[in-house]
Amino acid sequence: ETGVTQSPTHLIKTRGQQVTLRCSSQSGHNTVSWYQQALGQGPQFIFQYYREEENGRGNFPPRFSGLQFPNYSSELNVNALELDDSALYLCASSLERENTEAFFGQGTRLTVV
Amino acid sequence: GNSVTQMEGPVTLSEEAFLTINCTYTATGYPSLFWYVQYPGEGLQLLLKATKADDKGSNKGFEATYRKETTSFHLEKGSVQVSDSAVYFCALKDWGAQKLVFGQGTRLTINP
Repeated sequence: ETGVTQSPTHLIKTRGQQVTLRCSSQSGHNTVSWYQQALGQGPQFIFQYYREEENGRGNFPPRFSGLQFPNYSSELNVNALELDDSALYLCASSLERENTEAFFGQGTRLTVV
Repeated sequence: GNSVTQMEGPVTLSEEAFLTINCTYTATGYPSLFWYVQYPGEGLQLLLKATKADDKGSNKGFEATYRKETTSFHLEKGSVQVSDSAVYFCALKDWGAQKLVFGQGTRLTINP
């Protein structure tokens, strides 16, 4: 058990809608990273949050945004959904300043129709 | 920029066969290297890691050695089981960097 939980597990949205995905980090971890995994590909880094601030961002447009809360849980928001946003979204928590390994949740499978 | 290249799959083996999944990397610094495994319908689980050159990571019979001279981190297991069927991802992380950089994954199927 990694202790990282994501919700919901599956989601179907219509093109143009907005979606919010949630992640509860492992106890004691202060950093949350989000990844997008398209079918048959490796995960791609979206962004990271450390102590409620964005701490690095990958090559994703501004319609991908996030939040981290004081309890270190996090949200990923995607506006104006496109068909290509269909993917598995993975959240990973870590104790970043110790450069320790990241623990992943089971992911949210988003389908945009 | 940093990148990871994995041996293309899918890979199909019989139970008790020897496994090698190749992984090479390109990095500007001195990254840590990881192998993650993804079982059907699940997220990623860390299988093993190595943080400096010549380190050997090992777990559940799997091994990988950090080879700086060949920029490689090949995954090996001497005798695979049906339960090893999964997708395996090689990844790197530069010290102080925020993100893991993943390879494209290798799907492994073990037949009884």
